Amino acid sequence: QKEVEQNSGPLSVPEGAIASLNCTYSDRGSQSFFWYRQYSGKSPELIMFIYSNGDKEDGRFTAQLNKASQYVSLLIRDSQPSDSATYLCAVNGRGSTLGRLYFGRGTQLTVWP
Amino acid sequence: ETGVTQTPRHLVMGMTNKKSLKCEQHLGHNAMYWYKQSAKKPLELMFVYSYEKLSINESVPSRFSPECPNSSHLFLHLHTLQPEDSALYLCASSQDRGRSMPYGYTFGSGTRLTVV
Repeated sequence: QKEVEQNSGPLSVPEGAIASLNCTYSDRGSQSFFWYRQYSGKSPELIMFIYSNGDKEDGRFTAQLNKASQYVSLLIRDSQPSDSATYLCAVNGRGSTLGRLYFGRGTQLTVWP
Repeated sequence: ETGVTQTPRHLVMGMTNKKSLKCEQHLGHNAMYWYKQSAKKPLELMFVYSYEKLSINESVPSRFSPECPNSSHLFLHLHTLQPEDSALYLCASSQDRGRSMPYGYTFGSGTRLTVV
């Protein structure tokens, strides 16, 4: 059973702060990791993906991957109220489950002005 | 503007009704998915179509029946549903390039289904 765990939150940070979202996964063989943002009542939107250990930066977003610890995180710098949403971590399947993404429950982030 | 379009956006149906959800993707992708999203639960994969063939059925009850007539269209046929089937149903597509690492999904806006 592949599991993706996230703190459900809510995580509340002031505007301008760094928001840190964490995710752990159970399948050591997973190779692709995705972060989706979902606004209330909307569909998930891909914001970052990472395949290799280390950091990947895109604007205010940084994804961090540590395969040895089976841990992936998302940092949002200079958080804005518009970043308030639920953030979903997703991990790929492999072998017989190739093509399948496993999602965590999501972390609800609130950025207050 | 999403490249994956789902209709209807909202659907209320009785337990004896038959209805269908429709998904259309304009991205040239070769894989399409149905997911169920319920409150307080992770996204649940229901079906995967790859090159118009059903490749994954996650032990979904037979009251849900998928159909993929071509690479751009995906349907979810519903009949004799239960109130606990009320949820947001999301369609997604991706480009399966045969690599070990799948490309990310593009999701549609979803259909909010209420079974009464």
